[in-house]
Amino acid sequence: QVQLQESGPGLVKASGTLSLACAVSGGSISNCNWWSWVRQSPGKGLEWIGQIYDCGGTDYNPSLKSRVTISVDKSKNHFSLRLSSVTAADTAVYYCARNLRQSYGMEIWGQGTTVTVSS
Amino acid sequence: VLTQSPGTLSLSPGERATLSCRASQSVSSTYLAWYQHKPGQAPRLLIFAASSRATGVPDRFSGSGSGTDFTLTINRLEPEDFAIYYCQCFSSPSMYTFGQGTNLEIK
Repeated sequence: QVQLQESGPGLVKASGTLSLACAVSGGSISNCNWWSWVRQSPGKGLEWIGQIYDCGGTDYNPSLKSRVTISVDKSKNHFSLRLSSVTAADTAVYYCARNLRQSYGMEIWGQGTTVTVSS
Repeated sequence: VLTQSPGTLSLSPGERATLSCRASQSVSSTYLAWYQHKPGQAPRLLIFAASSRATGVPDRFSGSGSGTDFTLTINRLEPEDFAIYYCQCFSSPSMYTFGQGTNLEIK
């Protein structure tokens, strides 16, 4: 079955760019699925960051849209998150996920990776 | 905006849990989902399209509702059901929003 695994630096300097990848195993990223990024800041709830359709298209959280880029690399069977101009408020556990459909929610999740923004 | 209530629900195993999710504007039932989240684990999709159980979810979990009011019911609580539950909707302009969560704790 499809499994997801996040990877990337656990520590990012303030004002820098956070870059994470989500490796997809047990399936192809080229089957016209939607793939999402979600985060949870310490002591807070879940926040959707954005999603990408591997057949074309992206949706972003308006509150983060100016700083977020989500992309797919089919040759590596992974998708990525870039979040620029980070601050301490971007410290969180970041999850990647595969959607059931564009709008039906996230059915398969990675285990999450913790990113801390340091000053 | 999705508002979940109560913030914390204290119940005993074997009891029934009723969790509420209220939207600030009408939401298509097709776009309403519920998740279970335990510390240190990934969230788990329980219910999609307001009332459809995701793969592998026990039938003691059920979802209902329409418009602005949605409910997740968990019958005969098992010890492993104690967790935080989030509702989520997909709405214009093509974005997901989560509720703030309900902490279901053991009484």
